[in-house]
Amino acid sequence: DSGVTQTPKHLITATGQRVTLRCSPRSGDLSVYWYQQSLDQGLQFLIQYYNGEERAKGNILERFSAQQFPDLHSELNLSSLELGDSALYFCASSTRDSSPLMYTEAFFGQGTRLTVV
Amino acid sequence: AQSVTQLGSHVSVSEGALVLLRCNYSSSVPPYLFWYVQYPNQGLQLLLKYTSAATLVKGINGFEAEFKKSETSFHLTKPSAHMSDAAEYFCAVTKGFGNEKLTFGTGTRLTIIP
Repeated sequence: DSGVTQTPKHLITATGQRVTLRCSPRSGDLSVYWYQQSLDQGLQFLIQYYNGEERAKGNILERFSAQQFPDLHSELNLSSLELGDSALYFCASSTRDSSPLMYTEAFFGQGTRLTVV
Repeated sequence: AQSVTQLGSHVSVSEGALVLLRCNYSSSVPPYLFWYVQYPNQGLQLLLKYTSAATLVKGINGFEAEFKKSETSFHLTKPSAHMSDAAEYFCAVTKGFGNEKLTFGTGTRLTIIP
C-alpha cells in the first residue's frame, strides 16, 4: 500500500459528461501529480500541485482542470468527455520537505479507470 | 528536456534466465532515473532509483540497474527470472533535483516462460 488513495477505482460515463477524480496523498506529502495512462499515448504527466499551488503543467487538455485543497487532497475534473479520454488516471504524491532541492520519491495510487462510452 | 527510450515493447524470458530490460535516457542536466513496475490492474511501484550516488543501484525483488553515463543507459537486470516478475516495466527520468515530474518511457511488457 503506497498510502495514496484514489477514488473511484472505476468510472463509466457517457460522452459529453463531466467527472471528478479524487486523490488523497500520503499523510503530509505536499506535492500531488496527475498522470494519464492510455494505450496510444502511454504514461503522460498532466499537472502538478505543490502545497495548493499549481507547480507544473504537462499535456493537459483545456477541458481538464485540477486543484489541491488546503487539506492537500486533490481533484482532477474532466469535462466534455470524449471517447479518447478513456484511460487510467494516476495520482502520485511526494515530499514532506519544503525544499525544492530535496528529492523525494513519488508514490503512486492504484489509479482510476475511466471509460467513456 | 528529459526523455527515455525503452528498447523492446515485449520481452520474453524463460524462468530462471537472465532478465535484461533496456533504457536509454536523454537529459540536458544530470538526471534522476527510475524503474517502475506495474502489475495487471495495479498502480506503479518503484523498483529502484538512481540519484547520482552509486552507479550500480539495487532495488526490490532482486532487480538492479547500472547507470552508464558514457552510454546514456540505465538498463534493468535480474539474474534469474521468476514467474512473479511478469509485469510491465517503465523507465522514467526527472531532473536532478527534487519535486519534478516524471517522464516515462513507453514500457516493456515482460513475459516469463515456464
